[in-house]
Amino acid sequence: LAKTTQPISMDSYEGQEVNITCSHNNIATNDYITWYQQFPSQGPRFIIQGYKTKVTNEVASLFIPADRKSSTLSLPRVSLSDTAVYYCLVVNFNKFYFGSGTKLNVKP
Amino acid sequence: SQTIHQWPATLVQPVGSPLSLECTVEGTSNPNLYWYRQAAGRGLQLLFYSVGIGQISSEVPQNLSASRPQDRQFILSSKKLLLSDSGFYLCAWNHQDGQGASYEQYFGPGTRLTVT
Repeated sequence: LAKTTQPISMDSYEGQEVNITCSHNNIATNDYITWYQQFPSQGPRFIIQGYKTKVTNEVASLFIPADRKSSTLSLPRVSLSDTAVYYCLVVNFNKFYFGSGTKLNVKP
Repeated sequence: SQTIHQWPATLVQPVGSPLSLECTVEGTSNPNLYWYRQAAGRGLQLLFYSVGIGQISSEVPQNLSASRPQDRQFILSSKKLLLSDSGFYLCAWNHQDGQGASYEQYFGPGTRLTVT
């Protein structure tokens, strides 16, 4: 499976849009890109998945360029409760590999 | 609706003692099942996954083992715990391909294991 690389941490302020970029240079044709959110002492929670172009749901958007070697999770108007670790995964055949994630700190 | 249970919630065990963690899923059939471990401040490490009863794939060689005696039951075991086995153990499931497949995993509440 393709290895993913994300920033270790990011800071933001309430109300701002946050974009977290993930690099996955060796992504394969059948791989999907997914993002998860994890709060302390809880299991991760699915946010969004995509294959190419743009996907949007009620909480986030996922942008994937044509070469699929990277992806960007966009969180609109973050609040303090969005402080968490965000994981980018490349998934194939039901194998999930979580990296170290990006710790997002939202400040008031 | 589907739910996933793990127990115990917390566990303190001495080095060299055995381990048994249990995970059960309700409200679905034939799920894929997963065991992860998360060390303090780290990401999740995939330990085992299973696509059916008795079918276990090991991702990391270690002193842990997993079993799936029933369709919706997944057990993580060890004969002798090491200090390095301490961590947060998470069980997860997702639909198998062909069942409205998505890559959405559903996680249990986890077991906090401290090996002393």
